[in-house]
Amino acid sequence: DIVMTQSPDSLAVSLGERATINCKSSQSVLFSSNNKNHLVWYQQKAGQPPKLLIYWASTRESGVPDRFSGSGSGTDFTLTISSLQAEDVAVYYCQQYYSTPFTFGPGTKVNIK
Amino acid sequence: EVQLLESGGGLVQPGGSLRLSCAASGFTFSSYAMSWVRQAPGKGLEWVSDISGGGGTTYYADSVKGRFTISTDNSKNTLYLQMNSLRAEDTAVYYCAKKEGGSCYSATGVWGQGTTVTVSS
Repeated sequence: DIVMTQSPDSLAVSLGERATINCKSSQSVLFSSNNKNHLVWYQQKAGQPPKLLIYWASTRESGVPDRFSGSGSGTDFTLTISSLQAEDVAVYYCQQYYSTPFTFGPGTKVNIK
Repeated sequence: EVQLLESGGGLVQPGGSLRLSCAASGFTFSSYAMSWVRQAPGKGLEWVSDISGGGGTTYYADSVKGRFTISTDNSKNTLYLQMNSLRAEDTAVYYCAKKEGGSCYSATGVWGQGTTVTVSS
Protein backbone atom coordinates (compact mmCIF):
# COMPACT_ATOMS: atom_id res chain seq x y z
CA ASP A 1 0.00 0.00 0.00
CA ILE A 2 1.09 3.57 -0.66
CA VAL A 3 1.41 5.48 2.61
CA MET A 4 0.56 9.18 2.45
CA THR A 5 2.00 11.56 5.02
CA GLN A 6 1.27 15.25 5.48
CA SER A 7 3.06 18.03 7.26
CA PRO A 8 2.45 19.92 9.37
CA ASP A 9 -0.41 18.36 11.32
CA SER A 10 -1.81 21.84 11.82
CA LEU A 11 -0.88 25.42 11.12
CA ALA A 12 -2.13 28.86 12.00
CA VAL A 13 -1.66 31.62 9.46
CA SER A 14 -2.59 35.28 9.56
CA LEU A 15 -5.27 36.50 7.19
CA GLY A 16 -3.73 37.37 3.85
CA GLU A 17 -0.59 35.35 4.49
CA ARG A 18 0.58 32.21 2.70
CA ALA A 19 -0.22 28.71 3.92
CA THR A 20 1.81 25.75 2.70
CA ILE A 21 0.90 22.11 3.23
CA ASN A 22 3.15 19.23 2.24
CA CYS A 23 2.16 15.73 1.20
CA LYS A 24 4.54 12.84 0.64
CA SER A 25 3.80 9.43 -0.82
CA SER A 26 5.80 6.31 0.03
CA GLN A 27 6.22 5.58 -3.67
CA SER A 28 5.86 7.58 -6.84
CA VAL A 29 2.33 8.33 -8.02
CA LEU A 30 3.49 9.52 -11.44
CA PHE A 31 1.81 7.28 -14.00
CA SER A 32 4.15 6.73 -16.92
CA SER A 33 1.44 6.06 -19.49
CA ASN A 34 -0.12 9.51 -19.15
CA ASN A 35 2.76 11.35 -17.43
CA LYS A 36 0.33 12.55 -14.78
CA ASN A 37 0.61 12.50 -11.01
CA HIS A 38 -2.41 10.69 -9.57
CA LEU A 39 -2.73 13.00 -6.57
CA VAL A 40 -5.64 15.13 -5.38
CA TRP A 41 -6.21 17.70 -2.69
CA TYR A 42 -9.48 18.06 -0.79
CA GLN A 43 -10.78 20.68 1.60
CA GLN A 44 -13.13 19.64 4.37
CA LYS A 45 -14.86 22.26 6.46
CA ALA A 46 -16.44 21.35 9.78
CA GLY A 47 -19.62 19.33 9.36
CA GLN A 48 -19.32 19.19 5.58
CA PRO A 49 -18.21 16.58 3.05
CA PRO A 50 -14.84 17.01 1.38
CA LYS A 51 -14.55 19.28 -1.61
CA LEU A 52 -12.20 18.66 -4.51
CA LEU A 53 -9.66 21.45 -4.92
CA ILE A 54 -6.83 20.11 -7.08
CA TYR A 55 -6.43 16.99 -9.23
CA TRP A 56 -3.51 15.62 -11.25
CA ALA A 57 -1.48 17.29 -8.46
CA SER A 58 -1.72 20.74 -10.01
CA THR A 59 -4.99 21.18 -11.95
CA ARG A 60 -7.42 23.41 -10.13
CA GLU A 61 -11.02 22.23 -10.10
CA SER A 62 -13.51 24.53 -11.79
CA GLY A 63 -14.76 27.20 -9.41
CA VAL A 64 -11.89 26.88 -6.95
CA PRO A 65 -10.31 30.28 -6.21
CA ASP A 66 -6.93 30.82 -7.80
CA ARG A 67 -5.30 31.43 -4.43
CA PHE A 68 -5.22 27.61 -4.19
CA SER A 69 -2.44 25.94 -6.14
CA GLY A 70 -0.85 22.51 -6.21
CA SER A 71 2.65 21.54 -7.18
CA GLY A 72 5.09 18.67 -7.04
CA SER A 73 5.74 15.39 -8.80
CA GLY A 74 6.65 11.82 -8.01
CA THR A 75 6.50 11.55 -4.25
CA ASP A 76 6.51 15.14 -2.97
CA PHE A 77 3.61 17.52 -3.31
CA THR A 78 2.53 20.89 -1.97
CA LEU A 79 -0.76 22.71 -1.60
CA THR A 80 -0.36 26.46 -1.31
CA ILE A 81 -2.97 28.98 -0.28
CA SER A 82 -1.40 32.22 -1.43
CA SER A 83 -3.47 34.60 0.68
CA LEU A 84 -5.44 32.94 3.46
CA GLN A 85 -9.05 33.96 3.81
CA ALA A 86 -11.35 33.31 6.77
CA GLU A 87 -13.38 30.85 4.72
CA ASP A 88 -10.28 28.69 4.16
CA VAL A 89 -10.34 27.39 7.74
CA ALA A 90 -10.63 23.65 7.18
CA VAL A 91 -8.81 20.36 7.17
CA TYR A 92 -6.93 19.62 3.96
CA TYR A 93 -6.31 16.08 2.74
CA CYS A 94 -4.21 14.67 -0.06
CA GLN A 95 -5.09 11.34 -1.67
CA GLN A 96 -3.38 9.16 -4.24
CA TYR A 97 -5.35 7.40 -6.95
CA TYR A 98 -2.36 5.66 -8.48
CA SER A 99 -3.01 2.25 -6.96
CA THR A 100 -5.53 0.61 -4.68
CA PRO A 101 -6.11 1.11 -1.85
CA PHE A 102 -6.54 4.78 -2.76
CA THR A 103 -5.02 6.10 0.45
CA PHE A 104 -5.50 9.49 2.06
CA GLY A 105 -3.07 11.54 4.04
CA PRO A 106 -3.96 12.13 7.70
CA GLY A 107 -5.01 15.72 7.09
CA THR A 108 -3.68 19.16 7.95
CA LYS A 109 -5.81 21.53 9.97
CA VAL A 110 -5.57 25.19 8.93
CA ASN A 111 -6.63 27.94 11.32
CA ILE A 112 -6.37 31.69 11.50
CA LYS A 113 -3.61 33.12 13.68
CA GLU B 1 -26.23 19.89 -11.32
CA VAL B 2 -24.70 16.70 -9.97
CA GLN B 3 -26.43 15.49 -6.82
CA LEU B 4 -25.72 12.48 -4.63
CA LEU B 5 -28.09 11.53 -1.83
CA GLU B 6 -27.09 8.78 0.56
CA SER B 7 -29.52 6.82 2.72
CA GLY B 8 -29.68 3.62 4.72
CA GLY B 9 -27.48 4.48 7.66
CA GLY B 10 -28.48 3.79 11.23
CA LEU B 11 -27.74 1.89 14.42
CA VAL B 12 -26.92 -1.78 14.05
CA GLN B 13 -25.59 -4.41 16.41
CA PRO B 14 -22.17 -5.97 15.91
CA GLY B 15 -22.45 -8.79 13.40
CA GLY B 16 -25.44 -7.19 11.73
CA SER B 17 -25.99 -5.92 8.20
CA LEU B 18 -26.96 -2.68 6.50
CA ARG B 19 -27.35 -1.61 2.90
CA LEU B 20 -26.43 1.94 2.01
CA SER B 21 -27.88 3.57 -1.08
CA CYS B 22 -26.77 6.61 -3.03
CA ALA B 23 -29.24 8.12 -5.47
CA ALA B 24 -27.45 10.01 -8.23
CA SER B 25 -28.73 12.67 -10.60
CA GLY B 26 -27.45 15.30 -12.98
CA PHE B 27 -25.04 13.10 -14.94
CA THR B 28 -24.93 9.91 -17.00
CA PHE B 29 -24.57 7.54 -14.07
CA SER B 30 -23.38 4.47 -15.97
CA SER B 31 -20.46 6.39 -17.50
CA TYR B 32 -18.73 7.26 -14.25
CA ALA B 33 -16.88 5.32 -11.59
CA MET B 34 -18.22 5.74 -8.07
CA SER B 35 -16.71 5.54 -4.61
CA TRP B 36 -17.57 4.96 -0.98
CA VAL B 37 -15.37 6.77 1.55
CA ARG B 38 -15.90 6.76 5.30
CA GLN B 39 -14.90 8.96 8.21
CA ALA B 40 -14.95 7.69 11.75
CA PRO B 41 -15.92 10.24 14.42
CA GLY B 42 -13.17 12.82 14.79
CA LYS B 43 -10.90 10.97 12.38
CA GLY B 44 -9.63 11.34 8.84
CA LEU B 45 -10.94 9.99 5.56
CA GLU B 46 -10.70 6.29 4.70
CA TRP B 47 -11.30 4.95 1.20
CA VAL B 48 -13.66 1.97 1.32
CA SER B 49 -14.56 0.83 -2.20
CA ASP B 50 -14.76 1.82 -5.86
CA ILE B 51 -16.76 0.55 -8.80
CA SER B 52 -15.97 1.42 -12.40
CA GLY B 53 -18.42 3.04 -14.78
CA GLY B 54 -20.67 0.24 -15.97
CA GLY B 55 -19.87 -1.81 -12.87
CA GLY B 56 -17.37 -4.20 -14.41
CA THR B 57 -14.56 -3.64 -11.92
CA THR B 58 -14.65 -3.30 -8.16
CA TYR B 59 -12.01 -2.60 -5.53
CA TYR B 60 -12.11 -2.82 -1.75
CA ALA B 61 -10.04 -1.76 1.20
CA ASP B 62 -8.59 -4.74 3.05
CA SER B 63 -10.53 -3.68 6.15
CA VAL B 64 -13.85 -4.42 4.42
CA LYS B 65 -12.95 -7.04 1.83
CA GLY B 66 -15.19 -10.09 2.09
CA ARG B 67 -17.73 -8.21 4.24
CA PHE B 68 -18.82 -5.30 2.04
CA THR B 69 -20.11 -5.40 -1.54
CA ILE B 70 -20.35 -2.39 -3.84
CA SER B 71 -22.83 -2.46 -6.71
CA THR B 72 -24.86 -0.23 -9.01
CA ASP B 73 -28.31 -0.29 -10.56
CA ASN B 74 -28.03 1.81 -13.70
CA SER B 75 -31.78 1.67 -14.27
CA LYS B 76 -32.24 3.47 -10.96
CA ASN B 77 -29.07 5.61 -11.08
CA THR B 78 -28.22 4.23 -7.67
CA LEU B 79 -25.01 3.09 -5.98
CA TYR B 80 -25.15 0.58 -3.13
CA LEU B 81 -22.91 -0.67 -0.37
CA GLN B 82 -24.02 -3.91 1.24
CA MET B 83 -22.33 -4.17 4.61
CA ASN B 84 -22.32 -7.50 6.44
CA SER B 85 -20.63 -8.74 9.62
CA LEU B 86 -20.43 -5.19 10.90
CA ARG B 87 -17.93 -4.30 13.60
CA ALA B 88 -17.62 -1.41 16.01
CA GLU B 89 -14.74 -0.06 13.94
CA ASP B 90 -17.08 0.33 10.96
CA THR B 91 -18.82 3.17 12.81
CA ALA B 92 -18.46 6.22 10.58
CA VAL B 93 -20.07 8.67 8.24
CA TYR B 94 -20.17 7.00 4.84
CA TYR B 95 -19.84 9.26 1.82
CA CYS B 96 -20.84 8.38 -1.70
CA ALA B 97 -18.77 10.14 -4.34
CA LYS B 98 -18.60 10.44 -8.11
CA LYS B 99 -15.29 10.02 -9.86
CA GLU B 100 -14.18 12.25 -12.68
CA GLY B 101 -14.19 9.48 -15.29
CA GLY B 102 -15.27 5.93 -15.99
CA SER B 103 -12.09 4.50 -14.55
CA CYS B 104 -11.57 4.12 -10.82
CA TYR B 105 -8.10 5.61 -11.41
CA SER B 106 -9.48 9.12 -11.55
CA ALA B 107 -10.04 11.86 -9.04
CA THR B 108 -13.10 11.86 -6.80
CA GLY B 109 -15.08 14.94 -7.70
CA VAL B 110 -18.52 15.41 -6.19
CA TRP B 111 -19.38 14.05 -2.75
CA GLY B 112 -22.70 13.42 -1.08
CA GLN B 113 -23.56 14.71 2.37
CA GLY B 114 -22.99 11.32 3.97
CA THR B 115 -24.99 8.84 6.01
CA THR B 116 -24.07 7.79 9.53
CA VAL B 117 -23.54 4.16 10.47
CA THR B 118 -23.22 3.27 14.15
CA VAL B 119 -22.32 -0.26 15.16
CA SER B 120 -23.03 -0.81 18.81
CA SER B 121 -24.84 -3.16 21.14
